Amino acid sequence: QVQLVQSGAEVKKPGASVKVSCKASGYSFISYGISWVRQAPGQGLEWMGWISPQNGKTKFAQKFQGRVTMTTDTSTTTVYLELRSLTSDDTAVYYCARDRSVAGIGFGEAHWGQGTLVTVSS
Amino acid sequence: QSVLTQPPSASGTPGQRVTISCSGSSSNIGKNTVNWYQQFPGTAPKLLIYSHNQRPSGVPDRFSGSKSGTSASLAINGLHSEDEADYYCAAWDDSLNGRLVFGGGTKLTVL
Repeated sequence: QVQLVQSGAEVKKPGASVKVSCKASGYSFISYGISWVRQAPGQGLEWMGWISPQNGKTKFAQKFQGRVTMTTDTSTTTVYLELRSLTSDDTAVYYCARDRSVAGIGFGEAHWGQGTLVTVSS
Repeated sequence: QSVLTQPPSASGTPGQRVTISCSGSSSNIGKNTVNWYQQFPGTAPKLLIYSHNQRPSGVPDRFSGSKSGTSASLAINGLHSEDEADYYCAAWDDSLNGRLVFGGGTKLTVL
């Protein structure tokens, strides 16, 4: 079965960077894109960006352009999110989510990781 | 402020029909597919409806979706107590170089 397993919780200081991993299994890794979605405490869902494991193509929300990097490692079927210059506003649960369809993003994210809590505090 | 607009809360009694609205624009719901997610506290969202009105395997048929123009709706027929959760609509938005946008979420309470 499809599984997305994320790395553990992180505590970072303001100005630091964080790198979260999402290991995929149970399907053809290169066939489906992965989005990163975050959720601040008590708030709604916010899309950060998307990456295609097939060719490394990325799309980012304008809000995160220049501060975020998404990469994939096909040898370990793992997707990575790196967020730099952290502030307290970046405190959130970060989810990876796999496209439902090989057609790409926007057709539903059918499988989600368990979430990774990133806390930014001095 | 979310690009897609949902009511912050909704409620109903067991057995009732409840609908949750999602209002967007011509750059998102007006031209792209709408998806709905269900989220319980402390857990990841779950895809409930995709492509306006399609249910993934395992989703009960009392959940249904519809779209008209730049708005969409999620309907729950025969409300169950276990349906108490947060519900989010989402759609691809063609503005700002393209982005996935979510509604602010609707907290459904089963009275």
